[in-house]
Amino acid sequence: EVQLVQSGGGLVQPGGSLRLSCAVSGITFPSSAMSWVRQSSGKGLEWLSVISGSGGTTDYADSVRGRFVISRDNFKNILYLQMNRLQPDDTAVYYCAVPGAPTLPDYVEGSVGVRRPYGMGVWGQGATVIVSS
Amino acid sequence: IVMTQSPLSLPVTPGAAASISCRASQSLLYGSGQSYLDWYVQKPGQSPQLLIYLGSRRASGVPDRFSGSGSDTDFALNISRVEADDVGLYYCMQARQTPLSFGGGTKLEIK
Repeated sequence: EVQLVQSGGGLVQPGGSLRLSCAVSGITFPSSAMSWVRQSSGKGLEWLSVISGSGGTTDYADSVRGRFVISRDNFKNILYLQMNRLQPDDTAVYYCAVPGAPTLPDYVEGSVGVRRPYGMGVWGQGATVIVSS
Repeated sequence: IVMTQSPLSLPVTPGAAASISCRASQSLLYGSGQSYLDWYVQKPGQSPQLLIYLGSRRASGVPDRFSGSGSDTDFALNISRVEADDVGLYYCMQARQTPLSFGGGTKLEIK
């Protein structure tokens, strides 16, 4: 069974930093692209970032580019999101997710990359980040 | 790419059919004619769940009451017989290019 267990949320002051973690099990982690998505209270979903299986390719939404950094440790099977210069607008629930997950009936390991990271079939439980003074 | 969903709210009688529309501001076609359009549902208090990917393919474990249709810029999620457990927020998402983008969501509720 594929599992994504998140940690690292909390309360942080404006201008501060926070790092989210997403521990992954049940898949060949180095073969899987990974994404981060957030949801502000009462609002819809916003895609934030994606990273390739090797970690060599990343991409970001304009709203977080230059402030957030996605990374991964393929030995520990952990995905990270380092969030810097946080603002109240960044207050949200943050989710990690696996594009092209094994839950897709025609899943082929490593077939979904960072250019078109479709089919996010497995999600973490979410981590709440509150940016407030 | 801007994704526009309708309706915003969808009250449905149990056993009735329901349909949600999603329109993309650009074509979602790529490669061998695949449309890079996913559908997700977020049930109250839960993380989003994948229902449909590549426009019309059902994710594992998704009942065949759910179907996706459409191509290019116009898509629909159809639910043939709505059940009480289907209550939640439904989102379309384009994966044709980054930055990925979601529709604003449709709230399905039971009458």
